[in-house]
Amino acid sequence: DAKTTQPNSMESNEEEPVHLPCNHSTISGTDYIHWYRQLPSQGPEYVIHGLTSNVNNRMASLAIAEDRKSSTLILHRATLRDAAVYYCILRALYNFNKFYFGSGTKLNVKP
Amino acid sequence: ETGVTQTPRHLVMGMTNKKSLKCEQHLGHNAMYWYKQSAKKPLELMFVYNFKEQTENNSVPSRFSPECPNSSHLFLHLHTLQPEDSALYLCASSQETGSVPYEQYFGPGTRLTVT
Repeated sequence: DAKTTQPNSMESNEEEPVHLPCNHSTISGTDYIHWYRQLPSQGPEYVIHGLTSNVNNRMASLAIAEDRKSSTLILHRATLRDAAVYYCILRALYNFNKFYFGSGTKLNVKP
Repeated sequence: ETGVTQTPRHLVMGMTNKKSLKCEQHLGHNAMYWYKQSAKKPLELMFVYNFKEQTENNSVPSRFSPECPNSSHLFLHLHTLQPEDSALYLCASSQETGSVPYEQYFGPGTRLTVT
C-alpha cells in the first residue's frame, strides 16, 4: 500500500494560517488523498479529500502538487479548537478497503 | 441518536472474560469498519464490512471476532484477550459505491483495558 510521510508535530499561532505537509512519493494514479483529524479523546473526523485539483471546503483547503507526490492541508485561520492530530492517507479507486493511516502531525495552536 | 455511536465507552475486562463491543450507525451507510488505536501507534484497520459481507481482515488474532448482522450494526466479540490488547477501539462507517472512496464517519470509541 502506498504510504504517507508527515512531520511529527507543528506549532501555530491562533488566527494565523497553517500549512500541514504530506509526502506520498509512491502514490498511484488512482489514489485519492484524504485528510482526517483527531481531536483529543475523540474519534477521527473527516476534513477534506482530492485527486488532482486543489479543493476547498468550509474546514480547509487542500493543495496538491502537480506531480501528486505531495500535498498540503491549509487551515486559513487556526483556532484553539484546531489543535489535533492530522492524518494524511491515500485511498485507492475501486479498492476502498486498502489504506494506511500513519502517525499523523500533532498540531499545537498557541493563543 | 445521530452519526456513529459506540457502547460501552469504557470497558475493563479480565483475560478470561468474554465481552462484546457494539457500534451503530444512523447514516444509512453500507460499509462499516473496526479500528484499533494503541498508545503512540497509528490507527490499525482491523475489519471491513461492505453490505454485511466481511471484505477485509488485516491479520487480526482470532480472539477478536466481528459480526455484522445488518448494515447499521457492527459488533466486536472479545475473548481471552491479552494485556497488549488494551487500546481504543473505533468504529467507522461510509457510503461506498465501489469506485471513488468516500469519507468515513467515526464513533467516539470504546476504551478497553485488559487486566
